[in-house]
Amino acid sequence: RKEVEQDPGPFNVPEGATVAFNCTYSNSASQSFFWYRQDCRKEPKLLMSVYSSGNEDGRFTAQLNRASQYISLLIRDSKLSDSATYLCVVTTSTGRRALTFGSGTRLQVQP
Amino acid sequence: NAGVTQTPKFQVLKTGQSMTLQCAQDMNHNSMYWYRQDPGMGLRLIYYSASEGTTDKGEVPNGYNVSRLNKREFSLRLESAAPSQTSVYFCASSEDATYQPQHFGDGTRLSIL
Repeated sequence: RKEVEQDPGPFNVPEGATVAFNCTYSNSASQSFFWYRQDCRKEPKLLMSVYSSGNEDGRFTAQLNRASQYISLLIRDSKLSDSATYLCVVTTSTGRRALTFGSGTRLQVQP
Repeated sequence: NAGVTQTPKFQVLKTGQSMTLQCAQDMNHNSMYWYRQDPGMGLRLIYYSASEGTTDKGEVPNGYNVSRLNKREFSLRLESAAPSQTSVYFCASSEDATYQPQHFGDGTRLSIL
């Protein structure tokens, strides 16, 4: 089983739609969680950290469910500019100290 | 607002040639990383440096060496390039190696013929 798993998509949604992505992780000792955005052939950019209590940044909401070992990203009122690949990132404090990236979920927002 | 700077941005090599990819960050971060990303795939960690003076292997270290030259700079060397090393290479840095998010450079696109 992969350490971090994401549905690769693509998710094709119309402008204005609400879309949600989930990401599951296998290591229960994982401690930090992030969502990154990556545009085609560009570097990943931090979208938001994910806190235990859930957090919101404008149209974006991130949730963490430790019991079921997944994090989610909700995008409301989708814009064309939201089209990108969304990467789920998980860190652990044991063993090798580094982030583990999911392979990403591709979102295509259509006019 | 430089952040993480990678050089070169593009490079074409012949099989067997060597080269060094340079990375520098101006955010006073302790930890630095090298990743590769192949078409349609996720990021894979090659090497990382949790702090100045330390380096550790990541998921795919074979064929690469690294040097943490100082707190700012972390270089990646290909001693004898192989076509399988054709990829996009990203350098990243973070305040620490566990809890803080990473900030990425804009990548080096490397082709090996």
